[in-house]
Amino acid sequence: DQQVKQNSPSLSVQEGRISILNCDYTNSMFDYFLWYKKYPAEGPTFLISISSIKDKNEDGRFTVFLNKSAKHLSLHIVPSQPGDSAVYFCAASESSNYQLIWGAGTKLIIKP
Amino acid sequence: DVKVTQSSRYLVKRTGEKVFLECVQDMDHENMFWYRQDPGLGLRLIYFSYDVKMKEKGDIPEGYSVSREKKERFSLILESASTNQTSMYLCASSLQLARNEQFFGPGTRLTVL
Repeated sequence: DQQVKQNSPSLSVQEGRISILNCDYTNSMFDYFLWYKKYPAEGPTFLISISSIKDKNEDGRFTVFLNKSAKHLSLHIVPSQPGDSAVYFCAASESSNYQLIWGAGTKLIIKP
Repeated sequence: DVKVTQSSRYLVKRTGEKVFLECVQDMDHENMFWYRQDPGLGLRLIYFSYDVKMKEKGDIPEGYSVSREKKERFSLILESASTNQTSMYLCASSLQLARNEQFFGPGTRLTVL
């Protein structure tokens, strides 16, 4: 049973537009969420995180929104650039637990 | 910059062989992790270690063992490789166990024939 779900295996967005990647979770004990980006033949790299005490966190072109009541988070990339083409993973953890629980990933393709 | 290196980028082994995957980090991190990544399944934790000689099972430890003799090095061992262990293997390290970003190596693509 997947506790963290990324329901879109892929997403195609025009360069310059907004990319919105979504993630749903089922475990209400999760209190920390992270987004990672992965290029082919490389390991994932940390992008941005959010604690459950917040509903938004912003870092440059990247903003993560958390809706606790809906158990949903999203990553917004504005404006989208060709270098953003990658697989994006959502991960979640409980503060009492070491483990990161990962979604299956969404492949983002930015079209020129 | 944190650097996590893995001994091989690509590896091809035969069924039944013993396979060693090595991971080294240079940031004096306490915690190290081994994951496998398969299409449609995300990253699944095999084992992690929070200190030298300490290890804990993750979600899918069957068929694997680990060794951490030195703080900077964490090895994953496939005692008798099987075709269903063909996967991308990712090593990571982190300073704290919880709520802390993990830094990943480039991965090892293992094929078991």
